[in-house]
Order: sequence, then structure tokens, then C-alpha cells
Amino acid sequence: DAEITQSPRHKITETGRQVTLACHQTWNHNNMFWYRQDLGHGLRLIHYSYGVQDTNKGEVSDGYSVSRSNTEDLPLTLESAASSQTSVYFCASSESHGQLTDTQYFGPGTRLTVL
Amino acid sequence: AQSVTQPDIHITVSEGASLELRCNYSYGATPYLFWYVQSPGQGLQLLLKYFSGDTLVQGIKGFEAEFKRSQSSFNLRKPSVHWSDAAEYFCAVGAPMDSNYQLIWGAGTKLIIKP
Repeated sequence: DAEITQSPRHKITETGRQVTLACHQTWNHNNMFWYRQDLGHGLRLIHYSYGVQDTNKGEVSDGYSVSRSNTEDLPLTLESAASSQTSVYFCASSESHGQLTDTQYFGPGTRLTVL
Repeated sequence: AQSVTQPDIHITVSEGASLELRCNYSYGATPYLFWYVQSPGQGLQLLLKYFSGDTLVQGIKGFEAEFKRSQSSFNLRKPSVHWSDAAEYFCAVGAPMDSNYQLIWGAGTKLIIKP
């Protein structure tokens, strides 16, 4: 069955370190998204991609970067981790370009703690 | 700016009782509206979505939602809840982002089921 996976599921790191969170989907979807989830805020969009070599900034992109070298993967990098980036991170994918009629499928999330 | 409000942070309902979760949105045009559910430790799963047509939308797991333009609401309902419905529920509205769209999320409502 097609799925979307995230790794690691839990990560503890120190302030200033570079951290990369992996997202891999086997749906063959064009669109991929990274969100962070914080108590009282719902989900906020960090970055998104509508295809290979395409990346775009979302609402809360400062301090994060992504790259899309193939259809399946969209790794999220925290350039220099800060305590404010302690959060739960969700990756999602959907099929079409710019079409909200397509369902977003979510990974299980990565809980990141920055000490 | 577009926004979504879920007024209830927590709701407690007895098993077998009916449920209504509230969602209000702010959006100038006809909205795209979604309800997602997040079970503990899991990613988000789409329950239902509204784009046009019949204002009463049926979803998975026995849920339904009604779009009321005059009240800017998209409340989620279930006639009889089961213990397995205990989860967090998120409402979202689709909004333009550059030449595409993004989802704007509410803060979520946590549903607690009393035995």
C-alpha cells in the first residue's frame, strides 16, 4: 500500500545544530508539504513543493529549508536549531498542482525537541 | 486575511451521545472547507470536505458537516459517538496562495469520550 513515512519519529538536539527531518511518500504525488503543529496554533505551513526542483516558502519558513531532488522525498532542514523550533512536524502530500480538491495525506509526525 | 476559529478547545461527550464541533471561518469568496481528525500519536486523516453543491456533506466514520454561508460556519456532527472517536479534530479552509492555494487551519478541538 502507498504511504508517507517520516523519520526520525523523535529527535532531541541542541541549540545551534543542523537537523534534517526526512519525509518519503510512495503515492507518487506531485505536491508535498511540511507543517509544524504547536499547541493552540493548529498546523502552520513551513515549506511546500509542487514537483521536482520546485520549492516555496510557507507562513513560517524562517530558519528552515527544503529541497526536492525526486518525487518521493522532501527533507526539511533546520539550519541552526533554536528552542522556538521545538514542535511536532508533519509532512503531507497530495496529487495535483494547486488543486485543493485533492486530499492531503499526512505522515505520522516527528517530535523535535531543541535543548 | 483568511482565518479559522474552533471555539472549543476541549469537548467531553458521553459514549452514545450526539456530537457537534464548531468551526467558523473568515473568507471572502466561496470557501473550500475540510475536517481532519488526528488520533493520538498519529498523523491527520481527512474526514470530509466541501467545495460546492449540497451544503450537507457526508464523511467517513459516520460524520457529517453542514456549510452555512450566512453564519460562516462548517460544524461537524455525529449522531452517536463511540469511544474510538476520542481524538483531536481540525477544521481548515482553502485560501489562495500566490497562484495556488494553501490550507488555513483552526487550532483544533480535543474530543474526550466519557464511558
